[in-house]
Amino acid sequence: DQQVKQNSPSLSVQEGRISILNCDYTNSMFDYFLWYKKYPAEGPTFLISISSIKDKNEDGRFTVFLNKSAKHLSLHIVPSQPGDSAVYFCAYAGGSNYKLTFGKGTLLTVNP
Amino acid sequence: GAGVSQSPRYKVAKRGQDVALRCDPISGHVSLFWYQQALGQGPEFLTYFQNEAQLDKSGLPSDRFFAERPEGSVSTLKIQRTQQEDSAVYLCASSLSGTSVKYQETQYFGPGTRLLVL
Repeated sequence: DQQVKQNSPSLSVQEGRISILNCDYTNSMFDYFLWYKKYPAEGPTFLISISSIKDKNEDGRFTVFLNKSAKHLSLHIVPSQPGDSAVYFCAYAGGSNYKLTFGKGTLLTVNP
Repeated sequence: GAGVSQSPRYKVAKRGQDVALRCDPISGHVSLFWYQQALGQGPEFLTYFQNEAQLDKSGLPSDRFFAERPEGSVSTLKIQRTQQEDSAVYLCASSLSGTSVKYQETQYFGPGTRLLVL
């Protein structure tokens, strides 16, 4: 089974700087990884995804990089804004392509 | 437009009590998912419906957990004889079709029901 690991429970950055959120996985076979963002008392909202055939996907301030040899992906947010402060979850979708497997999340705090 | 809604938002139950959690998916969404999020953890898959058919219930932790979606829209997650370890946030998500991620669809999540079992 695929495991998704987010080893940093929290990250604090200054407004305007880059935020880098990391995620490791165990199984080389996958279809998609997704990043979700979650504010307190709200459900997770989809942010960006990357398929196994790519090594980078960009959407505005958000870029996800995939390093298949290292089984590692990262989410870059630049420039970071205070409104980006939230918990970020890395999630895997593969096989049946409907079940999401989430990491534990990383709490990002962007300081003004 | 209206997103996924869940009710109640908060539920306190005494150990041994039965509870029912409701999910109203986005209108027209074929697929519906339930996840359980324990404190400090990411959401964990419980079960999946395509229309009224429950295609996967492999994540349900015990036979005390039961989910239904009789008319292919609203879904109810029922927990019988609640235990303290059932305390968690229960998230419902829906997506347009059954082949969600392959066609770059996303799962849209509701705000969750926070269940506390005393």
